Amino acid sequence: NAGVTQTPKFQVLKTGQSMTLQCAQDMNHNSMYWYRQDPGMGLRLIYYSASEGTTDKGEVPNGYNVSRLNKREFSLRLESAAPSQTSVYFCASSEAQAYQPQHFGDGTRLSIL
Amino acid sequence: EDQVTQSPEALRLQEGESSSLNCSYTVSGLRGLFWYRQDPGKGPEFLFTLYSAGEEKEKERLKATLTKKESFLHITAPKPEDSATYLCAVQARDYKLSFGAGTTVTVRA
Repeated sequence: NAGVTQTPKFQVLKTGQSMTLQCAQDMNHNSMYWYRQDPGMGLRLIYYSASEGTTDKGEVPNGYNVSRLNKREFSLRLESAAPSQTSVYFCASSEAQAYQPQHFGDGTRLSIL
Repeated sequence: EDQVTQSPEALRLQEGESSSLNCSYTVSGLRGLFWYRQDPGKGPEFLFTLYSAGEEKEKERLKATLTKKESFLHITAPKPEDSATYLCAVQARDYKLSFGAGTTVTVRA
């Protein structure tokens, strides 16, 4: 049972390059999320999708876009990468947005030079 | 603004030495408080959900409790495999999760 799968696990980009982070879940969850985790800070929500066909901004959406491709897949795109976007990115999913725990993938470690 | 503060930042324990981690919060309309465990290089792993003051949950050597202002994660007789970063998160009225920065627990044999 894979749970939440993120690809790639590691990536190095140059400033200005673009890239898409992929996320897929096999738990038939309705809601999906993208977070970033930086040293000394809590996880911060970038974007979320409460259900298939909807997406909304979180706390730190600037410089990112998302696509809910179908119920299983939720991608995060960096259009023009900046060094401030160097971070570990986590995708999560939950059965519903309210009251339900979120289940996380193992992250993508992204460095932007 | 919703805030979650975890203390201490780091905790070093001897095997068998029980202790508690604190998560204090201010949130508009608490819908739930979640505890996670995170190992190095991994994503957070769900441990517990608490919904109302007075509620308690247990799993092996871990016990989580909730009051109106804070939650505690008690670790009883810890083992080296309990070494990890423990994260607390609160879900507010708008359903978004706010995470604390975590407490890193190291248990020495």
